[in-house]
Amino acid sequence: DVKVTQSSRYLVKRTGEKVFLECVQDMDHENMFWYRQDPGLGLRLIYFSYDVKMKEKGDIPEGYSVSREKKERFSLILESASTNQTSMYLCASSLGLSGYNEQFFGPGTRLTVL
Amino acid sequence: AQKVTQAQTEISVVEKEDVTLDCVYETRDTTYYLFWYKQPPSGELVFLIRRNSFDEQNEISGRYSWNFQKSTSSFNFTITASQVVDSAVYFCALRNFNKFYFGSGTKLNVKP
Repeated sequence: DVKVTQSSRYLVKRTGEKVFLECVQDMDHENMFWYRQDPGLGLRLIYFSYDVKMKEKGDIPEGYSVSREKKERFSLILESASTNQTSMYLCASSLGLSGYNEQFFGPGTRLTVL
Repeated sequence: AQKVTQAQTEISVVEKEDVTLDCVYETRDTTYYLFWYKQPPSGELVFLIRRNSFDEQNEISGRYSWNFQKSTSSFNFTITASQVVDSAVYFCALRNFNKFYFGSGTKLNVKP
């Protein structure tokens, strides 16, 4: 079974704090993704990575950065959290570059920035 | 530009009713993949089905069926004889190379 785990289910932070969201997958997938999910907006891609140390911006990268030092781990960093970053954050992974491969998702981290 | 539209924000049905969730997509690519995911109240998205752009064959899996029509750029999902356990948010997605484009989701409420 593919497992994608996220470090926290719920997180509360204060404005201006640096926030780290961690994601780990155990199936040796090349691709990893970070999304945020907001009501009525579906899933929006923040960043994705197709290999260690490689990253590409998604549709809404502003205010975020990422790190992928090891194949199994993909971290999302909020350098200075703001209230408009309150959201559900979903991590996903997929095998290879083929469009055939589906994504496997983690359980999500619900982040509240006060 | 790639885009997925799920016009139905929320649908409520009574158990055993059939329900169809609509998905319309836009892409200029000739090769692409379409997916449906289910997000139950627990929050974790679960893959349901994929379809590539060259395969317009409809698919049935138990109570679930999918209708892919390139002529109308639609990939609709039907649940037959719905059950309470089908209550979830359902997302349609389009994949082009490394990127997935998700619709805004349809929340399905199945009442006993």
